[in-house]
Amino acid sequence: EVQLVESGGGLVQPGGSLRLSCADSGSNFRNYWMSWVRQAPGKGLEWVANIGQDGSEKYYVDSVKGRFTISRDNAKNSLYLQIISLRAEDTAVYYCAREGGGGRSSDYWGQGTLVTVSS
Amino acid sequence: SFELTQPPSVSVSPGQTASITCSGDKLGDTYASWYQQKPGQSPVLVIYQDNKRPSGIPERFSGSNSGNTATLTISETQAMDEADYYCQAWGRFTATFGGGTKLTVL
Repeated sequence: EVQLVESGGGLVQPGGSLRLSCADSGSNFRNYWMSWVRQAPGKGLEWVANIGQDGSEKYYVDSVKGRFTISRDNAKNSLYLQIISLRAEDTAVYYCAREGGGGRSSDYWGQGTLVTVSS
Repeated sequence: SFELTQPPSVSVSPGQTASITCSGDKLGDTYASWYQQKPGQSPVLVIYQDNKRPSGIPERFSGSNSGNTATLTISETQAMDEADYYCQAWGRFTATFGGGTKLTVL
């Protein structure tokens, strides 16, 4: 059974940095593209970034390019999101999701980790 | 990437049919997915590839996608279906979610 567990969120000052992690308890992590999706308080879902199976392909929403870096370690069944130069508008719950459904849909999601950017 | 537009809210009486639309330029040329999110919970995939249901999703959930509009239809709506619903589609490399629709069952 696939279970995705995010960690690494917290309260960070503007301009600070953070590294989010997502651990997959399943055995087929390396076979799937993985995404990060965020949700600001009271707002909708926003796709942030994704990464291919071997980590060689990475894509980002325009608003985070240059500040967010997605990566993965297939040996550790883990996905990461490095965030620098944090802004107030980055405050959100960050979900990792597996792109395992047909048509690139996300069939498994983590419980999310909250990032709060505030002084 | 796409801009996807959803109505902010839809209301339906129990047992009736609810339809939630998602509009985007030539959306029918790509696959649409739908996610259900209840308060305090993570999203759940309810429709993928326009009209397919994942295992465990009730048959009352169905989808279609043609032209510029994808539609999520919930037949015989139940109180447990009250939630936010989001459509999602992919451009060449990046994904977009619609703004979400709050479904109220009253």
